Amino acid sequence: SQQGEEDPQALSIQEGENATMNCSYKTSINNLQWYRQNSGRGLVHLILIRSNEREKHSGRLRVTLDTSKKSSSLLITASRAADTASYFCATDPKTSYDKVIFGPGTSLSVIP
Amino acid sequence: DTGVSQDPRHKITKRGQNVTFRCDPISEHNRLYWYRQTLGQGPEFLTYFQNEAQLEKSRLLSDRFSAERPKGSFSTLEIQRTEQGDSAMYLCASSLAGSLAKNIQYFGAGTRLSVL
Repeated sequence: SQQGEEDPQALSIQEGENATMNCSYKTSINNLQWYRQNSGRGLVHLILIRSNEREKHSGRLRVTLDTSKKSSSLLITASRAADTASYFCATDPKTSYDKVIFGPGTSLSVIP
Repeated sequence: DTGVSQDPRHKITKRGQNVTFRCDPISEHNRLYWYRQTLGQGPEFLTYFQNEAQLEKSRLLSDRFSAERPKGSFSTLEIQRTEQGDSAMYLCASSLAGSLAKNIQYFGAGTRLSVL
């Protein structure tokens, strides 16, 4: 089974609202990343948070990491129609240092 | 464009045929990854290279799949005797090992394979 699991599977919000997506994982990690994928395209890296960090910001993105609960959240503030995409968390397990494992993703729709 | 490029973007083939995809990574990147993605799922790891060495191959990858990275530059992924279950998006990504951000991967747009 995949290391990471995002929740919810799908999310629909109005433009201007905040969107929160969660990721849970199973084994200890070195770091956790979030990627975005627009329909039919490749993935784009958004943010990386290391296992010794608890929160990180990048523009309208805020990522938190709770290693005790093995979970992370991605918050997108003041959403825009252009944020419509699938969002994936990717974990770098301590047992497999050289590759990342992706979850099934959250599909976000931002309605103008 | 100095990003990761994949060719072709789309491939339609008949069951039983062989197909080959190409990936050109970002030039200074020494790591190259192949993933398979089906609708509604995240990318599934297939294999990866550091320079020309293939370091890991997924147990999910059958003997019909083979990948090469001659001279540590571009890579090819070949699927022999394609089956309908091989229909998916095949993604390539590259990264720079040895950097602080070595796990950050840069993806190509993918090759969408349809097996009829």
